[in-house]
Amino acid sequence: GNSVTQMEGPVTLSEEAFLTINCTYTATGYPSLFWYVQYPGEGLQLLLKATKADDKGSNKGFEATYRKETTSFHLEKGSVQVSDSAVYFCALRRGNQGGKLIFGQGTELSVKP
Amino acid sequence: GAGVSQSPRYKVAKRGQDVALRCDPISGHVSLFWYQQALGQGPEFLTYFQNEAQLDKSGLPSDRFFAERPEGSVSTLKIQRTQQEDSAVYLCASSLAAEHNEKLFFGSGTQLSVL
Repeated sequence: GNSVTQMEGPVTLSEEAFLTINCTYTATGYPSLFWYVQYPGEGLQLLLKATKADDKGSNKGFEATYRKETTSFHLEKGSVQVSDSAVYFCALRRGNQGGKLIFGQGTELSVKP
Repeated sequence: GAGVSQSPRYKVAKRGQDVALRCDPISGHVSLFWYQQALGQGPEFLTYFQNEAQLDKSGLPSDRFFAERPEGSVSTLKIQRTQQEDSAVYLCASSLAAEHNEKLFFGSGTQLSVL
């Protein structure tokens, strides 16, 4: 079946540190891949997406590249800020399933000043 | 409204009670999804509507769960005879169209606690 696996949290970093959150997936066909972010007390928000192999999604300094050969979509940011503290969810979506998202378990990021 | 609105924000129910959770999607959005998020986990798909048609209900965990969207806008998720394992945050999301890479907008959720 289709599934998403993320590195376990919590991840604690100092401000301006480099961030990587690993995400791998299992799916047949060619899913679209997403990163969603959930700030404390808020709803999930789309952070970035990639719809085909080798695509790079980017937003707010975050990047992730769709790697079909390694079935991965790792999230990176060169210099994190305290305001990036949140829970990050990797997800996939297959076109022939009505567009439903399959999420990973989430990775909590805490950035200290 | 500007975003997806869910009510109530919090719901406490005694085991065996029925509950109804409401979702107001963004006006004009065709697709509507319900997800269940257990504590410390990612959201899990429950059901999907395209306008008023429920096209996928494969994620509903039991026949105690029922969802409707009779006029293609507001949706209600009903849980009958609630059990403790139903305790979770219930998220609603909508999107403008039905394409698989269309952006989903999520509400803040209803946190259900079954005592």
